Amino acid sequence: EADIYQTPRYLVIGTGKKITLECSQTMGHDKMYWYQQDPGMELHLIHYSYGVNSTEKGDLSSESTVSRIRTEHFPLTLESARPSHTSQYLCASSEIGGSYNEQFFGPGTRLTVL
Amino acid sequence: AQKVTQAQTEISVVEKEDVTLDCVYETRDTTYYLFWYKQPPSGELVFLIRRNSFDEQNEISGRYSWNFQKSTSSFNFTITASQVVDSAVYFCALNSNSGYALNFGKGTSLLVTP
Repeated sequence: EADIYQTPRYLVIGTGKKITLECSQTMGHDKMYWYQQDPGMELHLIHYSYGVNSTEKGDLSSESTVSRIRTEHFPLTLESARPSHTSQYLCASSEIGGSYNEQFFGPGTRLTVL
Repeated sequence: AQKVTQAQTEISVVEKEDVTLDCVYETRDTTYYLFWYKQPPSGELVFLIRRNSFDEQNEISGRYSWNFQKSTSSFNFTITASQVVDSAVYFCALNSNSGYALNFGKGTSLLVTP
């Protein structure tokens, strides 16, 4: 069954730690996205990719970085986590082509930095 | 610039009531796409519907219906005979050919009580 996966679902870590949030999709989609969702529910795009070796920053400035070495994999890394990074992170993917394509979302990673 | 406004932050209804979630959008593009997503307490975003700017036909899917009116730049979502399982946060989103990702509204939290 084609799907999009995120691990871990929940993560509690201390300040200064390096973390990587994993995102994988089995739908063969070329486009992938990372959104940050604050406690007030609003979603902000922080990274996107149109394909392998393509990464761009989104509308919301983020200290995180991403990589796209394989089509199905789009991990997000924080080199030194801080309490301000506490949020929910949602990964999504969509087919290549026009902006009419809906995005499919993973279950999210809820990150808490102490 | 593109913008989506969901003026209703929270709505509370009793089961079996009808409820309408409002969505107003702004865009300078003539070709654009509107979406509704549902986010249940589990956290993932579930795609509900897509509508393109050339298709103003309203749509009904079971208890869900959508009313798209270009004249008022609105894309409202109605749930008929609401159920407890409809409790979730609902997001309206916009994309266009000049954009690279979805622009989300701030979401409307719907609570349906027995």
